[in-house]
Amino acid sequence: NAGVTQTPKFRVLKTGQSMTLLCAQDMNHEYMYWYRQDPGMGLRLIHYSVGEGTTAKGEVPDGYNVSRLKKQNFLLGLESAAPSQTSVYFCASSQRLAGLNEQFFGPGTRLTVL
Amino acid sequence: RKEVEQDPGPFNVPEGATVAFNCTYSNSASQSFFWYRQDCRKEPKLLMSVYSSGNEDGRFTAQLNRASQYISLLIRDSKLSDSATYLCVVNTGNTPLVFGKGTRLSVIA
Repeated sequence: NAGVTQTPKFRVLKTGQSMTLLCAQDMNHEYMYWYRQDPGMGLRLIHYSVGEGTTAKGEVPDGYNVSRLKKQNFLLGLESAAPSQTSVYFCASSQRLAGLNEQFFGPGTRLTVL
Repeated sequence: RKEVEQDPGPFNVPEGATVAFNCTYSNSASQSFFWYRQDCRKEPKLLMSVYSSGNEDGRFTAQLNRASQYISLLIRDSKLSDSATYLCVVNTGNTPLVFGKGTRLSVIA
């Protein structure tokens, strides 16, 4: 099993460009998450999904959109990239939302917006 | 007050030392607690869950104090390979996990 995979691993964008980050999991997990991690800020939840076709806002949703058309995939979109969105983006998945639920993370996408 | 607070460190300890980290959480309704480990430029991975009665996994011991709302992680006989950032994680009911900012540990030869 590959677990959680993310595409691409690295990307450089110019301000105003758009892009989509793809997350895929092969563990049949119901829940999927997108985080960003910045120095000194820790992991911050952008959006999450409690099942196919559903999405919900996290702590820092502005400037991002997400879609979960298939259970195994969770897409994160930046419509008009800004330098403040330079960050490392992690996707994660879990079988449950509460209780002793382990989140499995992908290897991350390092995004730079110039 | 932030939901989960940790001392960012770094904690610089010699090999073989015992080191302890604490983490405090603000929501008394929190139900589940975890420690995750994150190596430099890698993704976080679950180190251990924290049970009410405390639990041990080899050199690692986790404790929960609900009255004072803190969680601790004790690492005995530190190894060079223990160098990482340790994230305190809390779950409050049917909402996503809340991650602390992490405590950086550096074990020195």
